[in-house]
Amino acid sequence: NAGVTQTPKFRVLKTGQSMTLLCAQDMNHEYMYWYRQDPGMGLRLIHYSVGEGTTAKGEVPDGYNVSRLKKQNFLLGLESAAPSQTSVYFCASSGIYEQYFGPGTRLTVT
Amino acid sequence: RKEVEQDPGPFNVPEGATVAFNCTYSNSASQSFFWYRQDCRKEPKLLMSVYSSGNEDGRFTAQLNRASQYISLLIRDSKLSDSATYLCVVNSMDSSYKLIFGSGTRLLVRP
Repeated sequence: NAGVTQTPKFRVLKTGQSMTLLCAQDMNHEYMYWYRQDPGMGLRLIHYSVGEGTTAKGEVPDGYNVSRLKKQNFLLGLESAAPSQTSVYFCASSGIYEQYFGPGTRLTVT
Repeated sequence: RKEVEQDPGPFNVPEGATVAFNCTYSNSASQSFFWYRQDCRKEPKLLMSVYSSGNEDGRFTAQLNRASQYISLLIRDSKLSDSATYLCVVNSMDSSYKLIFGSGTRLLVRP
C-alpha cells in the first residue's frame, strides 16, 4: 500500500518550459489536492478535486492547470514555467477530513 | 489577519522537557482541527486530530478552546526525534474538506 506517490521527485526547468507533475493515490480517496510550499510559508492550495472529472481553483491557481481523468490520479501542469514557480509541490488526498501527503516534488525554474 | 496563526519559534528545549505550542484560528465555525508534523525537506504527516474534549496520544496532548479560538499541543518527555516543525491545521471557511495550514512552529530538542 503505497499511499500517495509523486513523480518526479526533482526537476529543473528553464523559464518558459512546460511540465506535468503526477500524483497517484491507492486509498480510493475522493478528494485530491495540490499545494506549494515556499521557505518560511505555510502550504498554499493551488487546485483541488472533489472527484473524478472535477477540478476547482484554490488560493494560488494562476499559472497552473490540473486534470483528474481517473480517480486515483491528479495531474498538475505548468504551461510556461516562471522563476516564481520555484517551490516544493505536495499532492495530498483525503477521504473525509484528514489529508495524506505525497513526498513532494522539488521544482527549480531558472 | 491570517486564518491560522502560530509562533514560528524555534523552541529550543532539552531532552525530557515538556513543551507547549498554541495556535489561533479566525473562523469560529471551524469544525475540524489537526496537528501535523513536518520534518525538514519532507512531507507533512498527520500527528493527531484535535477533539472538543481534548485528547491524548502517548506523550502528546491536544486541546481545543472554541471560546478563545485556539488549539494547543503539549509534548511531554521530549525526545530528540521530536525535533520537527508542527503545523496547526483547521478546515476552511467554505468547505469541510479544504484545510488551512499554519506556517508551523519549529521545535529543536537538544541532548
